[in-house]
Amino acid sequence: KQEVTQIPAALSVPEGENLVLNCSFTDSAIYNLQWFRQDPGKGLTSLLLIQSSQREQTSGRLNASLDKSSGRSTLYIAASQPGDSATYLCAVRPRGGGNKLTFGTGTQLKVEL
Amino acid sequence: DTGVSQNPRHKITKRGQNVTFRCDPISEHNRLYWYRQTLGQGPEFLTYFQNEAQLEKSRLLSDRFSAERPKGSFSTLEIQRTEQGDSAMYLCASTPQGSSGGNSYEQYFGPGTRLTVT
Repeated sequence: KQEVTQIPAALSVPEGENLVLNCSFTDSAIYNLQWFRQDPGKGLTSLLLIQSSQREQTSGRLNASLDKSSGRSTLYIAASQPGDSATYLCAVRPRGGGNKLTFGTGTQLKVEL
Repeated sequence: DTGVSQNPRHKITKRGQNVTFRCDPISEHNRLYWYRQTLGQGPEFLTYFQNEAQLEKSRLLSDRFSAERPKGSFSTLEIQRTEQGDSAMYLCASTPQGSSGGNSYEQYFGPGTRLTVT
């Protein structure tokens, strides 16, 4: 059974700092990995999708990497802003596990002025 | 493209009542997913449709839960005889199938329906 873990569970940083969020998964047989942002009480906003054949994806100040063999992904946020405060979730689409996403429990990020 | 929409956004019901939620996927997305998210947890998969066919159901989907997508467009999720443990955010997502069978595509989520069972 695929399990996804995110560390740390919560993180507080001053504005302007660069930061890294971690995601690990137990089964490397995946189609892709997706990073989401979730604001309190809201739905999920897709940030980045990395296919299993890719090593990284970039969108603006966000960069996500994937090391499938070691079961790890990182989300790098450059020059953090208070508007980045949210919960960040990673999810994997396993091979052979149907079409569902398996999610981690998220990292709650707070960027302080 | 207006995104995935869900109605209602909030629902408060008494234990034992039935509730129904609706999801409208992005147009031309033929795959539709339901997830449930409890406080402090990531979403958990409930069920998945390709067009009108329900192709996969989680063991989380007890016999009190039923989902339909009768015309391959919008979907409904019904919970019968609600229990306090059903209190959660119910999320819907959609994705196109595409030439690769859909596994390569992002899932786009709606805003969710927050259910509170009192």
